[in-house]
Amino acid sequence: NAGVTQTPKFQVLKTGQSMTLQCAQDMNHEYMSWYRQDPGMGLRLIHYSVGAGITDQGEVPNGYNVSRSTTEDFPLRLLSAAPSQTSVYFCASSQVPGVNTIYFGEGSWLTVV
Amino acid sequence: QKEVEQDPGPLSVPEGAIVSLNCTYSNSAFQYFMWYRQYSRKGPELLMYTYSSGNKEDGRFTAQVDKSSKYISLFIRDSQPSDSATYLCAMSLKAAGNKLTFGGGTRVLVKP
Repeated sequence: NAGVTQTPKFQVLKTGQSMTLQCAQDMNHEYMSWYRQDPGMGLRLIHYSVGAGITDQGEVPNGYNVSRSTTEDFPLRLLSAAPSQTSVYFCASSQVPGVNTIYFGEGSWLTVV
Repeated sequence: QKEVEQDPGPLSVPEGAIVSLNCTYSNSAFQYFMWYRQYSRKGPELLMYTYSSGNKEDGRFTAQVDKSSKYISLFIRDSQPSDSATYLCAMSLKAAGNKLTFGGGTRVLVKP
């Protein structure tokens, strides 16, 4: 059982480039979320989804786009990368209702130069 | 001001000591309280989960929630070097596991 899989693990982007961080889960979880983690800031919610075809914004959504076409996948798109988006990104999934069933991926380290 | 405050540490203790961690929060509507452990270069993993006020014990770990004071704690007894990690508190308004508010994390170092 792979759990939550994130790719790539590390990425360096130039300012203005676009890219997609991939997230896949094999636990048939309805809920999926994207967080970013910056030093001393904990994790902050970017976007979340309560099921296929349904997404909503979190605390820090600007500059990011998401879609949820299947239960398994929840990609995060950076439309035009900025140095302020240098961060570690974590994808999470959970059952419904499930605060005690949240599983995080291993993280994606992104540097924007 | 952050919605959830957590001392960043680092907190250094000798092996076998009790580790005491805490978070304060401002939103009285939070009902679900979690503690996560995060090793370097890894994702957070759930340690303890508590609903509303009270205590919960699981092996060497005890979580306490005092909603009247907006204060939560995690105690680790008989600490081991393998407990060296960053500990994150997290809170949620609802049982739905899709919107968590995290503290900044406390780095803990248990010295052999």
